[in-house]
Amino acid sequence: AQSVTQPDIHITVSEGASLELRCNYSYGATPYLFWYVQSPGQGLQLLLKYFSGDTLVQGIKGFEAEFKRSQSSFNLRKPSVHWSDAAEYFCAVGERAAGNKLTFGGGTRVLVKP
Amino acid sequence: AAGVIQSPRHLIKEKRETATLKCYPIPRHDTVYWYQQGPGQDPQFLISFYEKMQSDKGSIPDRFSAQQFSDYHSELNMSSLELGDSALYFCASSPGTPSAFFGQGTRLTVV
Repeated sequence: AQSVTQPDIHITVSEGASLELRCNYSYGATPYLFWYVQSPGQGLQLLLKYFSGDTLVQGIKGFEAEFKRSQSSFNLRKPSVHWSDAAEYFCAVGERAAGNKLTFGGGTRVLVKP
Repeated sequence: AAGVIQSPRHLIKEKRETATLKCYPIPRHDTVYWYQQGPGQDPQFLISFYEKMQSDKGSIPDRFSAQQFSDYHSELNMSSLELGDSALYFCASSPGTPSAFFGQGTRLTVV
């Protein structure tokens, strides 16, 4: 079975600084990979996704992520964070063989200092 | 653009009661997923439907059942509610691609 690990439970970053959120996955084949963002009590918004092709993918809100097969990683980055980026971020793997259901990592909560 | 609509947004039920959560997918999306997110937890897959047929089942208790109707909306029925069922329940839909679009969720509180 696939699994997703987000090693950092909390990250605090200053406004304007860069941000990188780590995600490692375990999956038998090339996975579908996603990053979602969730504000408190809100739904999950898709930031970006990787299916195939170019391993550097661009998403909304200035986020990007890089798929590294050799490291089984799909880290999320943003060059300069804004206070509105404070939220919980979930990495997820889509299981191709099972109707694309998602397995989520434990999430990383991002706090932004002024 | 139309999004996934879930109703109600908030629901308070007593133990042993029954709850029904509704999900209206994005138009022309043929797949619906249900997820449960406990407090401070990541979302856990419950069940999915493709073209009105159950396509996959996750960690869904036997007390829960779900279906997808001819208009593609879906309902999650939860009986004999327990305190531990208190969670945020998400519905997501997809147009047959790997991308899933989530609704705002239904917050169920069992007291």
